[in-house]
Amino acid sequence: AQSVTQLGSHVSVSEGALVLLRCNYSSSVPPYLFWYVQYPNQGLQLLLKYTSAATLVKGINGFEAEFKKSETSFHLTKPSAHMSDAAEYFCAVSDRREAAGNKLTFGGGTRVLVKP
Amino acid sequence: KAGVTQTPRYLIKTRGQQVTLSCSPISGHRSVSWYQQTPGQGLQFLFEYFSETQRNKGNFPGRFSGRQFSNSRSEMNVSTLELGDSALYLCASSGPGLAGVHEQYFGPGTRLTVT
Repeated sequence: AQSVTQLGSHVSVSEGALVLLRCNYSSSVPPYLFWYVQYPNQGLQLLLKYTSAATLVKGINGFEAEFKKSETSFHLTKPSAHMSDAAEYFCAVSDRREAAGNKLTFGGGTRVLVKP
Repeated sequence: KAGVTQTPRYLIKTRGQQVTLSCSPISGHRSVSWYQQTPGQGLQFLFEYFSETQRNKGNFPGRFSGRQFSNSRSEMNVSTLELGDSALYLCASSGPGLAGVHEQYFGPGTRLTVT
């Protein structure tokens, strides 16, 4: 069974500061990994995904994440926070085996507050 | 391309009633998945339909069911509603992606309140 752990349910950063959101996963086979963002009263928007190509993945809105197999981690970073980054962020995994379909297993989410 | 649409956006029901939620996927997408989001349990997978067949199912009671039509539109049904079914129900569609990775695109959700 797969599982995802996001360290810190709430993170507060100052505008212009580094954003670092932590994600660790557990999976019997190397999974696909995703980061999604959710703004209030909206669905989830894909920020970036890891599919087994480059371990450093760049996404939208200046976010990037690095896959570290030895640490089973996929932390999300952004060098300089903007007020518009205030949202909830979810790390998710899916089984890359075709038979598993498209089921996503999500972490508990991290709510980001950006202070002016 | 139009995104995933869900109807209705908001719904209030009474315990014991049943409810049907609808999801229209992105044109060309054949996979539709449903998720329940609550403050206590977070995001949980309900089921996935692909070409009108249920391909995967989460750990939810049989009161939760779904179906998919030939045009890939999907509905989920919850019978005998309980207070704990109050949640945001998210639908996601997926089509063939790079290297076989099926990215999922989410709709805005249906907010269900059970009183």
